[in-house]
Amino acid sequence: NAGVTQTPKFQVLKTGQSMTLQCAQDMNHNSMYWYRQDPGMGLRLIYYSASEGTTDKGEVPNGYNVSRLNKREFSLRLESAAPSQTSVYFCASSERTVDNEQFFGPGTRLTVL
Amino acid sequence: AQSVTQLGSHVSVSEGALVLLRCNYSSSVPPYLFWYVQYPNQGLQLLLKYTSAATLVKGINGFEAEFKKSETSFHLTKPSAHMSDAAEYFCAVSGYSGGSNYKLTFGKGTLLTVNP
Repeated sequence: NAGVTQTPKFQVLKTGQSMTLQCAQDMNHNSMYWYRQDPGMGLRLIYYSASEGTTDKGEVPNGYNVSRLNKREFSLRLESAAPSQTSVYFCASSERTVDNEQFFGPGTRLTVL
Repeated sequence: AQSVTQLGSHVSVSEGALVLLRCNYSSSVPPYLFWYVQYPNQGLQLLLKYTSAATLVKGINGFEAEFKKSETSFHLTKPSAHMSDAAEYFCAVSGYSGGSNYKLTFGKGTLLTVNP
């Protein structure tokens, strides 16, 4: 039981390049989330998927797109990377219940030059 | 909409001393509250959660938190700090976001340093 896995762990991009961050969970959770973490800012929600086939914007969606490929997988795409997107990205999953305990992946550290 | 304020971005204690990390929340409905811990270069791990069953919640690694509705607080404590407690701690509140969806709103985090 791996929990939530993310690939890659590290990535360096040049401004304007594109890439997709992958996330998968094996806990049969309905809901999945993408966050970014920046120093002094805590975690900010980028996008989430309450259930397979649905996605919604979070607090900071600009410059990102997501795909809920199936119940297990939720990917985050940067179409044209910018230095402001340098951050650590975390994927999380949860049951779609009110207490919303989320389980986090190990993170992807992205640097945009 | 819900929000979380963590008082003190950095707390430093001596090994063996009391740990107190402060969290105040704002929520229009009875809240579900969480404390997460993040060790260096790792993801977040749940320490404990409040879901209205009991106001004093015990978590892993000797941590506990008390829900005080009158003060809208959910402070995290540990009687005796250990070097291994050095990490960043995040308080979060779960709130309704429409339909049947719920989201977590995180505080900005408190970095705990433990001095020998």
